[in-house]
Amino acid sequence: EILLTQSPATLSLSPGERATLSCRASQSVSGYLAWYQQKPGQAPRLLIYDTSIRATGIPARFSGSGSGTDFTLTISSLEPEDFAVYYCQQRDNWAGTFGQGTKVEIK
Amino acid sequence: ELQLVQSGAEVKKPGESLKISCKVSGDSFTNYWIAWVRQMPGKGLEWMGIIYPRDSDTRYSPSFSGQVTISADKSISTAYLQWSSLKASDTAMYYCARLISVGGLDIWGQGTMVIVSS
Repeated sequence: EILLTQSPATLSLSPGERATLSCRASQSVSGYLAWYQQKPGQAPRLLIYDTSIRATGIPARFSGSGSGTDFTLTISSLEPEDFAVYYCQQRDNWAGTFGQGTKVEIK
Repeated sequence: ELQLVQSGAEVKKPGESLKISCKVSGDSFTNYWIAWVRQMPGKGLEWMGIIYPRDSDTRYSPSFSGQVTISADKSISTAYLQWSSLKASDTAMYYCARLISVGGLDIWGQGTMVIVSS
């Protein structure tokens, strides 16, 4: 089972700032790396799939990159609605795992 | 538009059985894998397993294999997650979601809260 480690656990930033979230895998991921946003009391929302493709309706300020074992979600300029918890997720041979999450909070 | 609608919240006692559901509407139920995801109170997301309703091919995460059963009924476009003997540690929100071919879960149900308490 591939383990995903996200860092940092918490990111304290102000609106307008750039957010960089990291996701490191215990072994190489095939490319099926996705990112989700979750707000309190809501189901997760898919932001990015296949490492770098934005899901339908996701603003261009969200971008994903990486390969192998190191992946990054970047939010270029934080909007008030972006403060939430973010998870990475991989699927390797139909066995999926999630990272433990990064909370992006208002500084 | 594809929608996943889950059954309502449940309060059960330890040792009881439970089956929760995820009804799919708006697209062909048999064309996609359906995943189940657990979220314990205040915690992160955990991948439980997936099912392909066309042939009921099911893949479990090692942590959940033998602990739950995932099934599907094509005739009513519904996926299920069931327990034969609940434990207090099964208290969590459970989500179903559609798995797209490139690995992401693009459409989610609203979640089913399961509380197990004596």
